Amino acid sequence: DGGITQSPKYLFRKEGQNVTLSCEQNLNHDAMYWYRQDPGQGLRLIYYSQIVNDFQKGDIAEGYSVSREKKESFPLTVTSAQKNPTAFYLCASRLRTRGNEQFFGPGTRLTVL
Amino acid sequence: QQQVKQSPQSLIVQKGGISIINCAYENTAFDYFPWYQQFPGKGPALLIAIRPDVSEKKEGRFTISFNKSAKQFSLHIMDSQPGDSATYFCAASRVSSGGSNYKLTFGKGTLLTVNP
Repeated sequence: DGGITQSPKYLFRKEGQNVTLSCEQNLNHDAMYWYRQDPGQGLRLIYYSQIVNDFQKGDIAEGYSVSREKKESFPLTVTSAQKNPTAFYLCASRLRTRGNEQFFGPGTRLTVL
Repeated sequence: QQQVKQSPQSLIVQKGGISIINCAYENTAFDYFPWYQQFPGKGPALLIAIRPDVSEKKEGRFTISFNKSAKQFSLHIMDSQPGDSATYFCAASRVSSGGSNYKLTFGKGTLLTVNP
């Protein structure tokens, strides 16, 4: 089955620790995105990547970092510089020839204790 | 600056009723307007989308109405069912003439509850 996988589903970390969230897709999509979702805030774009080895900051990139070494993978690192990291993180992907449609993964809920 | 304003924040409808969620946008360059449905603990899923060259698009019980001059669009769910209970997000994006990053700007969401 084709799709987007995010792991783990739940993640707990101590304050001050960096943590990396996984996002993998086997849809052969070109672009990948990371969003953060907080209650009542909608989805806010953290980083996005149109092609391998290239990525751009979204609206709330501070305290986050990404890499895109493979087309299938777009991991997100939440660094200790992120002041309020507890949130639901969503990864999405898009096929360039399919226009604007973005497909979302199941999400990772990160709780920083 | 919130570029897509969504209302209401929450909505309660009786089974069989019509659910209406509204969104307003500011950027006149936006040319793609999708609606996403999200169940608790899951990722959003594309429900229906519209481009500004049409005023209405219908897929089953779901209809998008689009008013370009007013910069507004809305989602209508006919014959609402308890299984429709979810959070709905509107969004908008812009495609520049030279190709774009297709960034989606989301509204803050509407929690729909359909009572049996």
